[in-house]
Amino acid sequence: DAGITQSPRHKVTETGTPVTLRCHQTENHRYMYWYRQDPGHGLRLIHYSYGVKDTDKGEVSDGYSVSRSKTEDFLLTLESATSSQTSVYFCAIPLGAGGFHEQFFGPGTRLTVL
Amino acid sequence: QKEVEQNSGPLSVPEGAIASLNCTYSDRGSQSFFWYRQYSGKSPELIMSIYSNGDKEDGRFTAQLNKASQYVSLLIRDSQPSDSATYLCAVRGGGYQKVTFGIGTKLQVIP
Repeated sequence: DAGITQSPRHKVTETGTPVTLRCHQTENHRYMYWYRQDPGHGLRLIHYSYGVKDTDKGEVSDGYSVSRSKTEDFLLTLESATSSQTSVYFCAIPLGAGGFHEQFFGPGTRLTVL
Repeated sequence: QKEVEQNSGPLSVPEGAIASLNCTYSDRGSQSFFWYRQYSGKSPELIMSIYSNGDKEDGRFTAQLNKASQYVSLLIRDSQPSDSATYLCAVRGGGYQKVTFGIGTKLQVIP
């Protein structure tokens, strides 16, 4: 497996509480991505980072914020969790060889908002 | 409008048969195309990448790309029950541009 870990792996929380998910990489890559995966929607990009303190929005960024203070860590925060944010969250980094930047995924975090 | 279209399935094939998975995309500027396999409860795993028109073979897998028709396919020869999974098609423009994923096709290989 690529050197990507996510924590926690499972979390149950209540509506209105803040939640932070962590992605940690050991590949020293500039780019990191957060996706969510839902039935019928596939994988959708939430936010991505192209360096320390450099981040940008994806297609489903409302209700989420991110931070990257170190190359190896990319944090995803749900400011005030809602039931619609119940999902599986994946972090990814582009590790493909030869300049093609294929994305490799972490193990995922299953989040349930009650 | 969905940018990457896949039939969600399930696609059922008997063991030993060829499974054919299809994907269409809307952005003519797309340059890189990927197939991922995802087992239930696991993360997506890259199985094939293709960048130019034609076929690319890797073991029992063949990826086919037709940019004029904006069509990508994955053939799995001699399908095995262990191939039962959801297959995600993904498309990207150049460099580190964002990758867009289809919803995935669920494949069931019947012993």
